[in-house]
Amino acid sequence: DAGVIQSPRHEVTEMGQEVTLRCKPISGHNSLFWYRQTMMRGLELLIYFNNNVPIDDSGMPEDRFSAKMPNASFSTLKIQPSEPRDSAVYFCASSSLPGTSGGNVADTQYFGPGTRLTVL
Amino acid sequence: AQSVTQPDIHITVSEGASLELRCNYSYGATPYLFWYVQSPGQGLQLLLKYFSGDTLVQGIKGFEAEFKRSQSSFNLRKPSVHWSDAAEYFCAGASGGGADGLTFGKGTHLIIQP
Repeated sequence: DAGVIQSPRHEVTEMGQEVTLRCKPISGHNSLFWYRQTMMRGLELLIYFNNNVPIDDSGMPEDRFSAKMPNASFSTLKIQPSEPRDSAVYFCASSSLPGTSGGNVADTQYFGPGTRLTVL
Repeated sequence: AQSVTQPDIHITVSEGASLELRCNYSYGATPYLFWYVQSPGQGLQLLLKYFSGDTLVQGIKGFEAEFKRSQSSFNLRKPSVHWSDAAEYFCAGASGGGADGLTFGKGTHLIIQP
């Protein structure tokens, strides 16, 4: 089975440009998470969706960041306009909600390979 | 606030020696706890997880972790490390049945000496 797929793997852009990161979760999973990893702040949760609905976006740093999940197999994280401090590795993860697989706890979160974003 | 703390930024261990990586948590109720490993330039791979029940959890690659409520700890152990174990290790916690996002520790960088 394919794991979580992220594209692009690497993105280099100039300050002020729009950046769109993409994620395809594992088929059958109904929760999707976006994380950001930086040297200074480590791994941080940005936003997560359950059944395509955003549940908690309190980790989104600014209004420049937005995320969508139009269907169960696709999500985007957009930064507009981008700034050098947005440079980081962005990870997408997916899992199954409690009860989905018959249990009362969520399944493990499976991570994609990440997108390394560099904003010049 | 919920938090996960990994006190050691770097740990150096000789190949074949035993390993223990520390993790402490601060949650209102017993959290769901995880250990992930990240090799350079790679994503995160789950080593093991604790939801409930037996406090000694076995994982992949010969790792195990012990949940100790009295110490608010979930330390990762391996009896004999291999050079391929060199990586970044992250402890993480979650509440809400695990359906919420993960709160990660800052990570511990493991260096293996020949």
